[in-house]
Amino acid sequence: EADIYQTPRYLVIGTGKKITLECSQTMGHDKMYWYQQDPGMELHLIHYSYGVNSTEKGDLSSESTVSRIRTEHFPLTLESARPSHTSQYLCASSVPWGEQYFGPGTRLTVT
Amino acid sequence: GNSVTQMEGPVTLSEEAFLTINCTYTATGYPSLFWYVQYPGEGLQLLLKATKADDKGSNKGFEATYRKETTSFHLEKGSVQVSDSAVYFCALTPGQNFVFGPGTRLSVLP
Repeated sequence: EADIYQTPRYLVIGTGKKITLECSQTMGHDKMYWYQQDPGMELHLIHYSYGVNSTEKGDLSSESTVSRIRTEHFPLTLESARPSHTSQYLCASSVPWGEQYFGPGTRLTVT
Repeated sequence: GNSVTQMEGPVTLSEEAFLTINCTYTATGYPSLFWYVQYPGEGLQLLLKATKADDKGSNKGFEATYRKETTSFHLEKGSVQVSDSAVYFCALTPGQNFVFGPGTRLSVLP
């Protein structure tokens, strides 16, 4: 059973606030990912990491940043939230050539 | 490049009907193929996978066969239940990252 956690599950915040979405996994996976999922369901890769101190931007341009100081932790930060950031954010991890395991997601609403 | 195409939804079926969700892919090399399911308010869960040509993945009554000659990985279930209502994603990994299809929403009516 895969163990990957995201907090908070739901967040409503005002424009201009700084927020950090947390993601942790207990499987020792090197690879981790952040996706943004729009209401039309499609997943967009916004950041990924191959291991500690490795971070890369994904296919969808994002104003967020990530860090990977520990294998198990991959937080995503928005320095100044805007209504256009309202979305579902999904974190995932995997082993090379293997399946991805997803967290439950964070639903972010920026007012 | 690598890509995944799925049949457009929504798909609406009556309980106990037969389900097919089509998935075709374009990839270099020999990717692994996956089906994921997303229930309302949750993240994606792995439903089944196949790692080489002619492999059949199966789980919870769902199955899909890796067809290299037609570059397809269609999802099937013989008798759907109301609890199968969800969004289904076909995906592949050529190695480094994943490529997901756009998702197909399934609604099963009692």
